[in-house]
Amino acid sequence: KAGVTQTPRYLIKTRGQQVTLSCSPISGHRSVSWYQQTPGQGLQFLFEYFSETQRNKGNFPGRFSGRQFSNSRSEMNVSTLELGDSALYLCASSFAPGPYEQYFGPGTRLTVT
Amino acid sequence: QQQVKQSPQSLIVQKGGISIINCAYENTAFDYFPWYQQFPGKGPALLIAIRPDVSEKKEGRFTISFNKSAKQFSLHIMDSQPGDSATYFCAAMGGTYKYIFGTGTRLKVLA
Repeated sequence: KAGVTQTPRYLIKTRGQQVTLSCSPISGHRSVSWYQQTPGQGLQFLFEYFSETQRNKGNFPGRFSGRQFSNSRSEMNVSTLELGDSALYLCASSFAPGPYEQYFGPGTRLTVT
Repeated sequence: QQQVKQSPQSLIVQKGGISIINCAYENTAFDYFPWYQQFPGKGPALLIAIRPDVSEKKEGRFTISFNKSAKQFSLHIMDSQPGDSATYFCAAMGGTYKYIFGTGTRLKVLA
């Protein structure tokens, strides 16, 4: 079974630009969560989608948004990029929301200059 | 109350030794506790997980010990190998169904 895939793997953007990251979950998984990982803050939960609906949201500004499509694929968007948005963005999929095993993709490394 | 405190921040162990990483939580609504292993340039990989109705779970060289009354759980890596050198994260979930991660432990196993 193929794992979680994320595209692109690396991105370099300029302050003020916007970016869209994509995530394809494991086949059969309908829940997709997004995390930001930085050396200083660790792994921080951004949001979770299930059945095309946002089920949970972390403490991030409204510049961070996401969506999920009917095939469970998900995208996250960051608008008006700031230097502090430089991070590894990880997508994780699970069968459903709740205490189920969560499997991570390799991440997208975003650098904002 | 939503935090998971992980220690130590870094750990050096000799090959064949036991690596022990500890986590503590406050929120009694947490009811699922996984451990993840992350190598540089990779996403975290699920290692082993436990629910609070058991006090210990073992999978190969990896064991989770869970102390519900103390609100603590730990990962033990037996017969540690250089290939185990990675960053390990504990996590907790419950109630709001959000995963809360510990800050990570960088493990180095010396050959």
